[in-house]
Amino acid sequence: GAGVSQTPSNKVTEKGKYVELRCDPISGHTALYWYRQSLGQGPEFLIYFQGTGAADDSGLPNDRFFAVRPEGSVSTLKIQRTERGDSAVYLCASSSSGGAGDTQYFGPGTRLTVL
Amino acid sequence: AQTVTQSQPEMSVQEAETVTLSCTYDTSESDYYLFWYKQPPSRQMILVIRQEAYKQQNATENRFSVNFQKAAKSFSLKISDSQLGDAAMYFCAYSPFSNSGGSNYKLTFGKGTLLTVNP
Repeated sequence: GAGVSQTPSNKVTEKGKYVELRCDPISGHTALYWYRQSLGQGPEFLIYFQGTGAADDSGLPNDRFFAVRPEGSVSTLKIQRTERGDSAVYLCASSSSGGAGDTQYFGPGTRLTVL
Repeated sequence: AQTVTQSQPEMSVQEAETVTLSCTYDTSESDYYLFWYKQPPSRQMILVIRQEAYKQQNATENRFSVNFQKAAKSFSLKISDSQLGDAAMYFCAYSPFSNSGGSNYKLTFGKGTLLTVNP
């Protein structure tokens, strides 16, 4: 596609439920990133994929969070047993190679609200 | 750990005038990249301008330019001839650079500055 797309745009769920957030990167980009943006804050790094593998998942807050990218393109961020503190905008970005200074192109994000 | 500080939560400017947004950062690295991203209400982060730390010349992109002061660890963004479409949240971001790899890909963002453009 022309840019990074994310679905859904908004997700409202109840505490304790499971959610999946999808990211479709720019075609041909091998690097994919997930960030979380809480209200009034800048984005915070969650996880980085190079191809199909998670090269760095050091930003995932706990084991309720998991992400996959099985075919090296689309990625899914999965959150189990959601908590109210998980409410945020989840941003996905992709870049051509993941190298130093590589420009990251962001999607419009998914706004997750946990009631 | 690297940190990025944007000390101006909000700024405003009159249309056609110039505004400067401030950013300071803390790092022990000698080589790195700095970025300014714009986030309009649509939420999509858009790269405005980038600077390589090893380049002394300040980056410019049309009406946008930076004042990069490496010794002071300062990276301000100047917007000239401000337009209504410039109204957005602006984020300063840092990423390291290492010949051995490491986390060259990881962006660290400041908290942002909300820019209002008055007609």
